Amino acid sequence: QQQVKQSPQSLIVQKGGISIINCAYENTAFDYFPWYQQFPGKGPALLIAIRPDVSEKKEGRFTISFNKSAKQFSLHIMDSQPGDSATYFCAVPNTGTASKLTFGTGTRLQVTL
Amino acid sequence: DTAVSQTPKYLVTQMGNDKSIKCEQNLGHDTMYWYKQDSKKFLKIMFSYNNKELIINETVPNRFSPKSPDKAHLNLHINSLELGDSAVYFCASTVLAGGQETQYFGPGTRLLVL
Repeated sequence: QQQVKQSPQSLIVQKGGISIINCAYENTAFDYFPWYQQFPGKGPALLIAIRPDVSEKKEGRFTISFNKSAKQFSLHIMDSQPGDSATYFCAVPNTGTASKLTFGTGTRLQVTL
Repeated sequence: DTAVSQTPKYLVTQMGNDKSIKCEQNLGHDTMYWYKQDSKKFLKIMFSYNNKELIINETVPNRFSPKSPDKAHLNLHINSLELGDSAVYFCASTVLAGGQETQYFGPGTRLLVL
């Protein structure tokens, strides 16, 4: 069973600051590493994903950094805004015949004014 | 316009009852899932269907029985509800594009067992 360790469990950041969430995985044979964002009362939604052949991917204020040797990837939110307040999940796909994502334990981000 | 829809949105029921949650997706995806999210926000896969065929069945009590009448629908029936079943249940469907799989989640069904 794939283990996905996500930290921190919760994070409070001031508006304009940088939010950093980390994820560590065990197995290595995956094609991509996504982050999902969940607002209160809503379902998770794909935010950004990275393929293991690059070390960084940036989309607007959101950046994924990937360290293949350390089996870690992280989400950086630059210039954090109150509207970014949500729960963030990293996920790791399996490589079996069945399509499956194993989600991290989630990080509750609160961006204060 | 809703891509993945679930009904009902809220479900409050007594222990021991049987209830069903319905899910429909209009995205044309072949694969659908049921997830359970507990009070700590932990998101755990329960079942997955591909084109009406069960392909993932995690360690879930057999009181939970999924049914897929067609590839656009995946329903979840729960027998003899227990207090520990209280959670938010999410349906999702998925598409593989460019070597990357994106899961599209429904709005969730908030189940409270009293």
